[in-house]
Amino acid sequence: SQQGEEDPQALSIQEGENATMNCSYKTSINNLQWYRQNSGRGLVHLILIRSNEREKHSGRLRVTLDTSKKSSSLLITASRAADTASYFCASYSGAGSYQLTFGKGTKLSVIP
Amino acid sequence: NAGVTQTPKFQVLKTGQSMTLQCAQDMNHEYMSWYRQDPGMGLRLIHYSVGAGITDQGEVPNGYNVSRSTTEDFPLRLLSAAPSQTSVYFCASSRGPNSPLHFGNGTRLTVT
Repeated sequence: SQQGEEDPQALSIQEGENATMNCSYKTSINNLQWYRQNSGRGLVHLILIRSNEREKHSGRLRVTLDTSKKSSSLLITASRAADTASYFCASYSGAGSYQLTFGKGTKLSVIP
Repeated sequence: NAGVTQTPKFQVLKTGQSMTLQCAQDMNHEYMSWYRQDPGMGLRLIHYSVGAGITDQGEVPNGYNVSRSTTEDFPLRLLSAAPSQTSVYFCASSRGPNSPLHFGNGTRLTVT
């Protein structure tokens, strides 16, 4: 069953704008991760935020986590055409878990 | 480092045929897993392994077999292919529980 659900399903923005994607999950988590998938390729890990963290930055990426609302958001600032991809949130539930459960993804299109 | 290598990249099978999807990693990761990705469904876990000789079922294991005789390799076997197994299959590995996954580039399988 899907643990995470991303919103929106698709997002189209102009180059230079910021892109925000949201993720909601159902059960308590150990950490939440975001992945990017370029068309026809495997997923690439972007950033991990632990359940006791509220915000994390990596380059142009900013991730927030609200465990009370069971939600997370991924912000990509100053987007580039190369950011065009699908973005997935994924989470492990419980300590020592090996089962990473993915959402259905947000398809981001950045128009040059 | 090659990372996670999957072969073949593409495969067409007839209903009832069998085949093995190969996956190898050179990062000495204990954990390996297989996911399938279908349109609108995100990624779903098929089987996973936490070390050589140890495997377990994920969310959608029916119709698939796995074994793990070495740390490096984790093949996925389809014993009698069905059209419902048409999908893109991804192999992934990680250092351990709650860790980010490293993905291969996938095998696109069509069953006619």
